Amino acid sequence: GAGVSQSPSNKVTEKGKDVELRCDPISGHTALYWYRQSLGQGLEFLIYFQGNSAPDKSGLPSDRFSAERTGGSVSTLTIQRTQQEDSAVYLCASSRIGNSGYEQYFGPGTRLTVT
Amino acid sequence: AQSVTQLDSQVPVFEEAPVELRCNYSSSVSVYLFWYVQYPNQGLQLLLKYLSGSTLVKGINGFEAEFNKSQTSFHLRKPSVHISDTAEYFCAVSMNTDKLIFGTGTRLQVFP
Repeated sequence: GAGVSQSPSNKVTEKGKDVELRCDPISGHTALYWYRQSLGQGLEFLIYFQGNSAPDKSGLPSDRFSAERTGGSVSTLTIQRTQQEDSAVYLCASSRIGNSGYEQYFGPGTRLTVT
Repeated sequence: AQSVTQLDSQVPVFEEAPVELRCNYSSSVSVYLFWYVQYPNQGLQLLLKYLSGSTLVKGINGFEAEFNKSQTSFHLRKPSVHISDTAEYFCAVSMNTDKLIFGTGTRLQVFP
């Protein structure tokens, strides 16, 4: 079956612009996660959605970052008024909660460059 | 709160030699442990995981890891590496279905 897909694969934007990053999880996976991978910070957790529960937003670095998950499937990560320090690879992962062993399957990522 | 320490940022090794990548974690509660691999310009792929049971877990590509609760370690080993094992390796912990907390990664460079 299809894995986690993310779009776009690359995004170059000017400082101050807003960007939207999309994630399509594996069908049937109820949990969805966003992470950020950057040279200075390594791999950081951003936000976690599980079913209809309130998302865990504890990793979002500022109020410029937000995410939503529509219909329990596709998720969009939005960064408003982008800054150069937002440049990173944004990774999405999904998992099937229950008997899967809590394995998170990662997408290929979106490389964001803020100029 | 949990944390993960990968003691070696880079590990150079010759082909067919054994390798160990070290990982220590800190947590006040039971955690699940994972090793992920990231090949150049690719996404993260799960190598192996420890949830419960046998402390020696075997993963893909001939890798294995041993969970040591007393030493809070989860070191990754391979008895004979190949050039194709050159990649970045990440150790991670999580509680239940919670977020993954990653270490800073170890770059394994295999030389011919």
